[in-house]
Amino acid sequence: SAVISQKPSRDICQRGTSLTIQCQVDSQVTMMFWYRQQPGQSLTLIATANQGSEATYESGFVIDKFPISRPNLTFSTLTVSNMSPEDSSIYLCSVSIAGGLDTQYFGPGTRLTVL
Amino acid sequence: AQTVTQSQPEMSVQEAETVTLSCTYDTSENNYYLFWYKQPPSRQMILVIRQEAYKQQNATENRFSVNFQKAAKSFSLKISDSQLGDTAMYFCAFIFRTGANSKLTFGKGITLSVRP
Repeated sequence: SAVISQKPSRDICQRGTSLTIQCQVDSQVTMMFWYRQQPGQSLTLIATANQGSEATYESGFVIDKFPISRPNLTFSTLTVSNMSPEDSSIYLCSVSIAGGLDTQYFGPGTRLTVL
Repeated sequence: AQTVTQSQPEMSVQEAETVTLSCTYDTSENNYYLFWYKQPPSRQMILVIRQEAYKQQNATENRFSVNFQKAAKSFSLKISDSQLGDTAMYFCAFIFRTGANSKLTFGKGITLSVRP
């Protein structure tokens, strides 16, 4: 498995601002993933972040709204840009040790509230 | 595309009793993994158990076991000797073991409450 941390654990933000969420893992991993979990809902994949290449976004998510960085094999950031109340969610990062086709381990999540 | 269905939105069980959470999935592939994840109020997603589709033997982890029926595409989770700490949302999930576009697909989840 892997130990994953996220910062911040929660935040309350104003409409129109941006928030960057950090995800740190204790070992080198090929693939990291970012998910959104809206209140009372299941997880929806936002994008897959590979080191050294552009993130791959899922349908309905765009880079301008959710820019992602992956500077090395243990760290990634997700920015939620120009926020609106509809962006209020839990944002989770996960990692796959075996290249994405195996078990994913999750960070503790970031609870975002947009006023 | 694969789908994962958890038809029960919530369940309740008395402490120390046994409860079974249902999950069905739909795929035409043969090579995949199935998972149960637990999300307590702390919101951390915790891996409970994993089943490899090519293995006929049901996976077991302490008080947690699965009933994997591949032909019926059913993957239920049994929790024995339920404890208060088992109170959480439980998600069934699925991933293909091959394919460039394979991604982890979750069911809608079920809220389990363990009563003292």
